[in-house]
Amino acid sequence: QSALTQPASVSGSPGQSITISCTGTSSDVGGHNYVSWYQQHPGKAPKLMIYDVDNRPSGVSNRFSGSKYGNTASLTISGLQAEDEADYYCCSYSSYTGSSTRVFGGGTRLTVL
Amino acid sequence: QVQLVQSGAEVKKPGASVKVSCKASGYTFTSDYMHWVRQAPGQGLEWMGIINPRGGTTTYAQELQGRVTMTRDTSTSTVYMELSRLRSEDTAVYYCARGSRYMDVWGKGITVTVSS
Repeated sequence: QSALTQPASVSGSPGQSITISCTGTSSDVGGHNYVSWYQQHPGKAPKLMIYDVDNRPSGVSNRFSGSKYGNTASLTISGLQAEDEADYYCCSYSSYTGSSTRVFGGGTRLTVL
Repeated sequence: QVQLVQSGAEVKKPGASVKVSCKASGYTFTSDYMHWVRQAPGQGLEWMGIINPRGGTTTYAQELQGRVTMTRDTSTSTVYMELSRLRSEDTAVYYCARGSRYMDVWGKGITVTVSS
């Protein structure tokens, strides 16, 4: 199965908002409400930022929000801060092979200008 | 607090196998699934598979079927991932991560290097 499609990079200035898209198919993003988003700083393990499309774990800033329309999920970060600069990955439950697997997006590097 | 402690770095030759571990603490081991995810140098995250610690059932990524085996030991709250017939492209950081629909707690990762 192919990875979900994310833009390779996005950028924004402090205080601005950015949106990262994650496009899949009806077998993954479009067919299930099990999309999650992860933030990864260099040399560190990924951190869960959004789960089940639009839910925020305890401790994650409310500047992070998620949504989904059709086969595309999105992560929006408002009020950009320097510490938001990182790689972001989407992940979806997938029934593509007939089994319950997961698939990641290729990742998006966020640069805070 | 919930912790996943992974074993140390490994260096293997092509064709060999590697078995890495992930010891869970701070929660009921059999109450949640465990994923394995890897990341090759400079690349993105790749999902490898999932194990249910309660019954030991597994689902693997199609690309790794036949080479990957995930097991668990409930007496020590540890999950294992063995990858066989290693090739250079298997050089990566290997993470365990707790969860089913999503991965809420991650280990720090194990570097596995495959080199002749």
